[in-house]
Amino acid sequence: AQTVTQSQPEMSVQEAETVTLSCTYDTSESDYYLFWYKQPPSRQMILVIRQEAYKQQNATENRFSVNFQKAAKSFSLKISDSQLGDAAMYFCAHISNFGNEKLTFGTGTRLTIIP
Amino acid sequence: GAGVSQSPSNKVTEKGKDVELRCDPISGHTALYWYRQSLGQGLEFLIYFQGNSAPDKSGLPSDRFSAERTGGSVSTLTIQRTQQEDSAVYLCASSPGQDYGYTFGSGTRLTVV
Repeated sequence: AQTVTQSQPEMSVQEAETVTLSCTYDTSESDYYLFWYKQPPSRQMILVIRQEAYKQQNATENRFSVNFQKAAKSFSLKISDSQLGDAAMYFCAHISNFGNEKLTFGTGTRLTIIP
Repeated sequence: GAGVSQSPSNKVTEKGKDVELRCDPISGHTALYWYRQSLGQGLEFLIYFQGNSAPDKSGLPSDRFSAERTGGSVSTLTIQRTQQEDSAVYLCASSPGQDYGYTFGSGTRLTVV
């Protein structure tokens, strides 16, 4: 079974600065997808960024980028130019590309933006 | 609709009562998931529907929990004889395929008193 670990329960960053959220995962498969989701106080889960395991290039979406290290099974999220609206819980997630597998989530990191 | 719709958004029920939570997925999404999120915690998988395949019920915490998906669209999660530990936010998500990630609804906050 896949597991996803987020070792930082809470993080904080000064507005306009850069912050990196860590995520590691455990899988025996080579073909899978990784995601970062954001959950603001409204509790709506929002997909921030996705990474395909067979692609070496790190995914980027505006101020959000990932550092995907497949051999190390690491998938960190970097948020540049942090904004107040980035304050939320961030969840890392993994899904295998084989069979009818389900999305497995980490326990989340609560990000606080300091004005 | 454009997104995943869940109803009700909030539900308060007395211990021992049955509750039904509804999820309307995005049209055309073949996969539908239910997750449970306790206060300040991560997401706990409950059940997964994929097309006409038998659902994956491996996450249901007890036989008081059941779910169905009618016509490959709307899903209902039923909790019988609710207990206080059932209090949580119940999230539904749908997906057209595994590589697209899931689109989540806003959840139903269930409070058992």
